[in-house]
Amino acid sequence: SQQGEEDPQALSIQEGENATMNCSYKTSINNLQWYRQNSGRGLVHLILIRSNEREKHSGRLRVTLDTSKKSSSLLITASRAADTASYFCAPTGGFKTIFGAGTRLFVKA
Amino acid sequence: ETGVTQSPTHLIKTRGQQVTLRCSSQSGHNTVSWYQQALGQGPQFIFQYYREEENGRGNFPPRFSGLQFPNYSSELNVNALELDDSALYLCASAPWDEEETQYFGPGTRLLVL
Repeated sequence: SQQGEEDPQALSIQEGENATMNCSYKTSINNLQWYRQNSGRGLVHLILIRSNEREKHSGRLRVTLDTSKKSSSLLITASRAADTASYFCAPTGGFKTIFGAGTRLFVKA
Repeated sequence: ETGVTQSPTHLIKTRGQQVTLRCSSQSGHNTVSWYQQALGQGPQFIFQYYREEENGRGNFPPRFSGLQFPNYSSELNVNALELDDSALYLCASAPWDEEETQYFGPGTRLLVL
């Protein structure tokens, strides 16, 4: 199994600011995904970045991947109150993904 | 919307009872995984099924069992419920050719008293 570990555990910012969350993992991967979970709901897939990619964009999301450091970051630009949620990374590659505790993002209006 | 549904949405049971939770995946999704999420924690992997066979299991005792059916539905059964089984239970499905991208249902919140 492979577990992603998110950092920080919690993040509080003002609306309009950028939010950056980090993920570290321990073994080789095929890709890494980021998910969002609104309070008490199911997880929503945000973005997938493959091991041969270094950066990927989707709307206000920017994900980077550094396989040499076994780390990834998720940047949310111009945050909105609706971005308030928990964010999880999921490193994958032929094994069962174990989710970490996530980063709790709170965006203040 | 992910196209994955779960029932019931909420459930209250007492210690020692048995419970069955249900999940309906998207048509064509051959893989289904179940997760347990305690309050404030990340989802913990229980097990995965592929074409009706268990295809991997997390660190959960045998009283957690599952079934997957040909019509893309699945069940999670928990026997001899304990207070610590109180959690949000999530199912996630994936088509085999995108097995690493999972589509989650909204979850069933189980409370054991």
